[in-house]
Amino acid sequence: SYVLTQAPTVSVAPGRTATITCGGINIGVNSVHWYQQKPGQAPVVVIKYDSDRPSGVPERFSGSNSGNTATLTISRVEAGDEADYYCQVWDVITGQAAFGGGTKVTVL
Amino acid sequence: QVTLRESGPALVKPTQTLTLTCTFSGFSLTTNGMCVSWIRQSPGKALEWLARIDWDDDAYYNTSLRSRLTISKDTSKNQVILTMTNMDPVDTATYYCARASCNQRSPFDPWGQGTQVTVSS
Repeated sequence: SYVLTQAPTVSVAPGRTATITCGGINIGVNSVHWYQQKPGQAPVVVIKYDSDRPSGVPERFSGSNSGNTATLTISRVEAGDEADYYCQVWDVITGQAAFGGGTKVTVL
Repeated sequence: QVTLRESGPALVKPTQTLTLTCTFSGFSLTTNGMCVSWIRQSPGKALEWLARIDWDDDAYYNTSLRSRLTISKDTSKNQVILTMTNMDPVDTATYYCARASCNQRSPFDPWGQGTQVTVSS
């Protein structure tokens, strides 16, 4: 199955920018979705199809995808952004979905 | 409004078979391209995709768990059922179901609230 690699933790000061990466072989040819998960809650989509922001998600959240790395960027980080973030793709060959290992964002 | 809700036993014994039900509303699993997946998360661990069933009854499984999983649907009841055989303590997790448009490789949206399953004797 397709392997996606994320750094376990990212720490960022309030008001600064958090950059979360998701590595995978030729991930740039896939569509990448990003989820935010807060403790005790189900994941919620924050970015879909690499860079589309669902209704209700702040403009501070943005995404990109090229080559072997997809990136979720959170600008002007707030305390409420503290959560685990997961990337996800569909493997079009096997029909399976794959998740990255997750990145815990800590707001200092 | 689309909603999904998972149900099943909170506790199962090792070697037993787990049966989970996902009851959904707000969409039809007979709609072209629609699919429902099961995803689990062990305590403190990452999300793990388990299986998916499509509007046309095609089913797909996590390669490493394929031999233990069966996914099916009952469109008359708006339900998707997952069975997992030979349960082990490492299968202790929160199990989620989620909707997607699989022919569009869409994200999982929305998710159910999850159901916690503990495997212990």
